[in-house]
Amino acid sequence: DIQMTQSPSTLSASVGDRVTITCRASQSISSWLAWYQQKPGKAPKLLIYKASSLESGVPSRFSGSGSGTEFTLTISSLQPDDFATYYCQQYNSPWTFGQGTKVEIK
Amino acid sequence: QVQLVQSGAEVKKPGASVKVSCKASGYTFTSYYMHWVRQAPGQGLEWMGIINPSGGSTSYAQKFQGRVTMTRDTSTSTVYMELSSLRSEDTAVYYCARGPGVVVVAATGWFDPWGQGTLVTVSS
Repeated sequence: DIQMTQSPSTLSASVGDRVTITCRASQSISSWLAWYQQKPGKAPKLLIYKASSLESGVPSRFSGSGSGTEFTLTISSLQPDDFATYYCQQYNSPWTFGQGTKVEIK
Repeated sequence: QVQLVQSGAEVKKPGASVKVSCKASGYTFTSYYMHWVRQAPGQGLEWMGIINPSGGSTSYAQKFQGRVTMTRDTSTSTVYMELSSLRSEDTAVYYCARGPGVVVVAATGWFDPWGQGTLVTVSS
């Protein structure tokens, strides 16, 4: 199975900060990568697919980049609603997720 | 709008089985794969398996082989996930999540949307 490793595990930031989360795959996954946001007690929500395509309705401050084995999720200007946990996922069978990155208030 | 509504919370004893349902609406049920994912308390997301609602074929994560069964009822647009021989480590929130269209090769695709989740607690 393809292993997905996110860094950092926790990130402390302030409103307005630029935030970057990294996700590394144990082997090349081309651009078959998605990013999800999860808030406490809620289901994950799709943000980005195909590594860099923004899901409809997701604010443009979110962006994704990368291909092969290294990927990033960037929030250009952190908003109060963005404090959450973020997961990357490679979507070739068997599907696997990163361990998550919690973005908390500094 | 596309919506997945899951059944309510369950409390089970070790060794028992649980069956969670996921009712789909807002799209053609048989046209999209459905996945099941679980999340233990304070932990990350773990993929369990996938079902093709059109023909009923399934594929399970190796970890759950022999303990999980995924089925569907096309008359009610509902998929089911049954997990047997429950142990305390199975305490988790279980989610259904829609995958890509069934015409997509190898079901390669992201999950969207997700059900609201069903908490299964295994305790003696």
